[in-house]
Amino acid sequence: DAGVIQSPRHEVTEMGQEVTLRCKPISGHNSLFWYRQTMMRGLELLIYFNNNVPIDDSGMPEDRFSAKMPNASFSTLKIQPSEPRDSAVYFCASSFNGPYGYTFGSGTRLTVV
Amino acid sequence: AQTVTQSQPEMSVQEAETVTLSCTYDTSENNYYLFWYKQPPSRQMILVIRQEAYKQQNATENRFSVNFQKAAKSFSLKISDSQLGDTAMYFCAFTPGYALNFGKGTSLLVTP
Repeated sequence: DAGVIQSPRHEVTEMGQEVTLRCKPISGHNSLFWYRQTMMRGLELLIYFNNNVPIDDSGMPEDRFSAKMPNASFSTLKIQPSEPRDSAVYFCASSFNGPYGYTFGSGTRLTVV
Repeated sequence: AQTVTQSQPEMSVQEAETVTLSCTYDTSENNYYLFWYKQPPSRQMILVIRQEAYKQQNATENRFSVNFQKAAKSFSLKISDSQLGDTAMYFCAFTPGYALNFGKGTSLLVTP
């Protein structure tokens, strides 16, 4: 298995633009997570899907952030409009039934200028 | 609230020596899972070791082992025979079920 695949690896965008981050989880995993990593706040959970259904989105910062999981093999995290304070590394992770086989993607470094 | 505390922001160890990274956590749950992740400059999050709270025996993975003290809510990582490739940020993480709660990390430098 190729592991959790995220794209793009780097993204630089101007303030106000829409940004879409993509994630392909490991085949067979039924849990998918989006995390954000910043120097100030460390690693924090944004949203958690189980069997393609959002279970916990309490970590989503505000309405500018949205996430979807249309099927078991694909998820997106969208920011619209983007702001400089959204600059961070965004990780996608997948697992089986919660804590089993928890695997992270290589992350997307987002820079909003 | 469930918190994870790593009290050592930075540590340094010489090659071939042993180093221990500290982690404490706070939870009211009885069943949970604990992890140590390594993040090298490539930023990939690499699972080092995992411990289930219901297991008394400390987990071991080659040169990496943990000292899990459930009553004290302590989960330290010991790295034996340190190698230059062990240089990285190390994160302790906790979950009662799904979302991982991370500590702020310990930056470990292995010197020749």
